[in-house]
Amino acid sequence: NFMLTQPHSVSESPGKTVTISCTRSSGGIASYFVQWYQQRPGSAPTTVIYEFKERPSGVPDRFSGSIDSSSNSASLTISGLKTEDEADYYCQSYDRTNQVIFGGGTKLTVL
Amino acid sequence: QVQLQESGPGLVKPSETLSLTCTVSADSIMNYYWSWIRQSPGKGLEWIGYVSEYGTTNYNPSLKSRITISLDRSKNRFSLRLTSVTAADTALYYCSRVRTRQLLFDSWGQGTLVTVSS
Repeated sequence: NFMLTQPHSVSESPGKTVTISCTRSSGGIASYFVQWYQQRPGSAPTTVIYEFKERPSGVPDRFSGSIDSSSNSASLTISGLKTEDEADYYCQSYDRTNQVIFGGGTKLTVL
Repeated sequence: QVQLQESGPGLVKPSETLSLTCTVSADSIMNYYWSWIRQSPGKGLEWIGYVSEYGTTNYNPSLKSRITISLDRSKNRFSLRLTSVTAADTALYYCSRVRTRQLLFDSWGQGTLVTVSS
């Protein structure tokens, strides 16, 4: 099996840009789609990025996704930070047998 | 807009079986996978498994020996059974619709808290 490793927490000021990484332990990051979910306190997760870089309708273009094969990682970047972006963010992917893995989650603080 | 609603007991005794149902509204069971995910208090998301529209399943290896996910097409719902529960199974249990091509969990229920305690 494989793991997805995220930083435990990140913080940044309103209006700034933050990037959250998600590193895959084995298997190529580009070989299996990566999704990103936002979870606000007391709520179910919602999708902010799917298929590495696609945004669902209704998600602002301040959210973007990318991958870096050299570091075998995916990244979620949020620009123009707003206090409403404060939440937990999870990356998710799978392997050749469709075993699903979620990253450990990153707590974003907008201060 | 699809809606998913979990239901089942909120309290289960140790060693007993946890049973939850997810009712799907405003969408057909066909053309998607249907999954269970759980979140222990203060922790991250853990994928439990999914069932396909045809009833085939795929389970998290760490739970595989204890879980069964099944589909009831006639009632547009799917279910989770987790046997021999312990306090470590105390969690918020979510059901979710899964887009099969990307394995994207695109719609979630609100979650139901299950506590394992005597």
